[in-house]
Amino acid sequence: GAVVSQHPSRVICKSGTSVKIECRSLDFQATTMFWYRQFPKQSLMLMATSNEGSKATYEQGVEKDKFLINHASLTLSTLTVTSAHPEDSSFYICSTGTGDSYNEQFFGPGTRLTVL
Amino acid sequence: GEDVEQSLFLSVREGDSSVINCTYTDSSSTYLYWYKQEPGAGLQLLTYVFSNMDMKQDQRLTVLLNKKDKHLSLRIADTQTGDSAIYFCALLRVADKLIFGTGTRLQVFP
Repeated sequence: GAVVSQHPSRVICKSGTSVKIECRSLDFQATTMFWYRQFPKQSLMLMATSNEGSKATYEQGVEKDKFLINHASLTLSTLTVTSAHPEDSSFYICSTGTGDSYNEQFFGPGTRLTVL
Repeated sequence: GEDVEQSLFLSVREGDSSVINCTYTDSSSTYLYWYKQEPGAGLQLLTYVFSNMDMKQDQRLTVLLNKKDKHLSLRIADTQTGDSAIYFCALLRVADKLIFGTGTRLQVFP
């Protein structure tokens, strides 16, 4: 299946700074990528759908100005958490859609963000 | 929004069978999945069923789907310590969006 990487795997930052998380599809051209957020011991919540060459589609309740998504190429989508605050601390996971017969998504290993 | 519920925790002895349950409210999903998440890692697809399937068996895994009761289950036969993880059911919605269950933490003890 498709291999998805994320960078960094872990980041600690001060409150008020911005953090960029990269999601790369290493062996698959992904026109669509998904960004999820997972709080400790909770489920994954879809934040937004990232579309190559166009604006991302955000889920209800997700601030698009706070979580900037750029999908400039078929292999890279980035999520920037702007002016991060401690409540933004979470595990962020991306996935790619494959468009295969059963719509499998391949997930990145996740990025642990801690905002002090 | 849609509710997808799972029991939070399951503890089994090594060698026994594990059954993880998932209930949902919206029955319009075409595909239903089971994912496994190990500590600090992303998700791995274990298996899936199409909405017109009642059962699917794949080696140690058996998935049962009861559409009438909106209930999906995952049975792991001969559970091993390496099966310890969090298991999520997920339903495919429009525009390829996945709605995840609350997750079940499976602990396997010797």
